[in-house]
Parts: sequence; structure tokens; C-alpha cells
Amino acid sequence: SQTIHQWPATLVQPVGSPLSLECTVEGTSNPNLYWYRQAAGRGLQLLFYSVGIGQISSEVPQNLSASRPQDRQFILSSKKLLLSDSGFYLCAWSVEFLPYNEQFFGPGTRLTVL
Amino acid sequence: TQLLEQSPQFLSIQEGENLTVYCNSSSVFSSLQWYRQEPGEGPVLLVTVVTGGEVKKLKRLTFQFGDARKDSSLHITAAQPGDTGLYLCAGPVNSNTGNQFYFGTGTSLTVIP
Repeated sequence: SQTIHQWPATLVQPVGSPLSLECTVEGTSNPNLYWYRQAAGRGLQLLFYSVGIGQISSEVPQNLSASRPQDRQFILSSKKLLLSDSGFYLCAWSVEFLPYNEQFFGPGTRLTVL
Repeated sequence: TQLLEQSPQFLSIQEGENLTVYCNSSSVFSSLQWYRQEPGEGPVLLVTVVTGGEVKKLKRLTFQFGDARKDSSLHITAAQPGDTGLYLCAGPVNSNTGNQFYFGTGTSLTVIP
């Protein structure tokens, strides 16, 4: 069975500090990987997605970046955090299995920027 | 532009009541997914509907996909406090660079004991 891990679960960082959130998937090969951000009680905003190693598509201009150094590893980074970067960050994976294109989510990381 | 609009945005009901949540779009989707999310956790997939007019049941939850595959509904019978959470619909938009998924605006449900 497939599992997805995210860490850390919670993070409190000062403004201007760097960020690195990690996501790994087990039990599947060549998944599509995604980073979302979610404001409290709201829908999901797609930040980045990747269809393969080194292939990153950015959906929203921001001071965040993503990398995929390995097939099942997806990293979200920032060189200098802003207050507006606070939120709940979710990693997800999917495989193309038409028509059942489904996404599966990790447990999330709660980021608070002070 | 929000591709998937959910209504209502907030819903607070008494235990035992019935409710329906709607997910509407002007676009056609190959499938639609429904997720439930509890506070501090990731969304959990409940169901995927793929055929226009399809109805799927998951215990007290009934999901329907519109005939034109542009909308879907989630009906909960005799709601329980354990149904409390954020309900999200989502639809994949295939592109030549891989799958992207558009999510609805969310419906926050509170079931009061």
C-alpha cells in the first residue's frame, strides 16, 4: 500500500528565516507530486506540481520554490519567509489512472511565521 | 477564476438532520472527487464519480455526478457529530504536463449533538 509522509508536523519560524519542508511517498513509482497551501477552514491553493524528477511547475508567483531530487521526494523551500507564508501546507501524490485520477494527501505541516 | 464552486460555504445542523452540499462548475470533468478534512489533518478521499448521472453510496453519504459531468452533490442522511469537517470537491484537469486538480471552495459542516 502507498503511504505519504510529511515533516515536520508543526513549525514556528521567524520572518526572514529559511524554510525546508519535506514530503516522501512510499509504495508507488513515478507519481505526480503536489504542494498545496490552505488557509484556515478554506479550500486548497496549488503551489507547485511535478510529473518527474527535476520537473517543477509553479502555479502561484511567490517567494517559495520546490524541488524533486528523487522520484518520491518533494521539497518545499524558501530563502526568506514572510508573515504571509503562514498556513497549512499539504503534500499530495497521484498517478494517472483514467478515469480514476485521484489525489492522496499527507498529514500536513502547520507553519507559523512570527 | 474558481472552476469549482461549492455551496453552502458553512453549514451548522442538529444531529439527525439531513443535508446536501453542492459542487458546481461550468467546465466538464472526467471525474469528480469528494474529500473530508478534519482540523489539522490532510483531506481524506471519500469517493470518485466518473460517469454522468452516477450515484454512489457510502453508508449515510450519497454522492451524485451530474448528467453533463459539470456538477456533483453530496447528501448526508441523519448527520452525526462524526460527520463534522470540511468537505471538498475536486476535479482533475488533464494537461500534457501531467494532472492538475482543481479544488472547490469547501463546505464547513458542524453537526451539533
